[in-house]
Amino acid sequence: DQQVKQNSPSLSVQEGRISILNCDYTNSMFDYFLWYKKYPAEGPTFLISISSIKDKNEDGRFTVFLNKSAKHLSLHIVPSQPGDSAVYFCAASARLSGSARQLTFGSGTQLTVLP
Amino acid sequence: DAMVIQNPRYQVTQFGKPVTLSCSQTLNHNVMYWYQQKSSQAPKLLFHYYDKDFNNEADTPDNFQSRRPNTSFCFLDIRSPGLGDAAMYLCATSKTLDWGTDTQYFGPGTRLTVL
Repeated sequence: DQQVKQNSPSLSVQEGRISILNCDYTNSMFDYFLWYKKYPAEGPTFLISISSIKDKNEDGRFTVFLNKSAKHLSLHIVPSQPGDSAVYFCAASARLSGSARQLTFGSGTQLTVLP
Repeated sequence: DAMVIQNPRYQVTQFGKPVTLSCSQTLNHNVMYWYQQKSSQAPKLLFHYYDKDFNNEADTPDNFQSRRPNTSFCFLDIRSPGLGDAAMYLCATSKTLDWGTDTQYFGPGTRLTVL
């Protein structure tokens, strides 16, 4: 049972345009959401995150939007650059007990930015 | 630079032959994780160490074991690899157990092939 879903395995966008990567989740206990970026032959690196008390978080060209009622979040990259071509993982976190947390990843979306 | 290092990057083993994957970190983080990622799937957490405290995920097979002899090193032992264990194995670290809000730093991964 996939609690975090990235339904688009791939996305191609022209350089300079907006890239929108989507993520859906099912567990209402998730209260923190993260995006990781992965280049080939490297491990995932943290990109941006958002707490469930917010609906938007912005960091330079990257903005994450959270719609709790729809259990949906999206990552916007504006403008897209060829160096943004990578696999993007959505991850969601829920508190279990005490200080322990659960972190669940989606299966990733391969973004290709065409020059 | 401070980082998470995984050796080897590529490992080939035979069906049933024990194999050990290695991870080291220079970040001095308290928590170290092992994830398994199969092709086009989400990374799946196998277990984690908080200092010397070991936490196994409920659905991690007994075939997978881990050792953390000191803060810097963590090993993944696969006692009798099956064909289904062929995957990318990712090591990650974080300062605290607040994984959702505390960034995890990933190594580049070890790709395991089972013949």
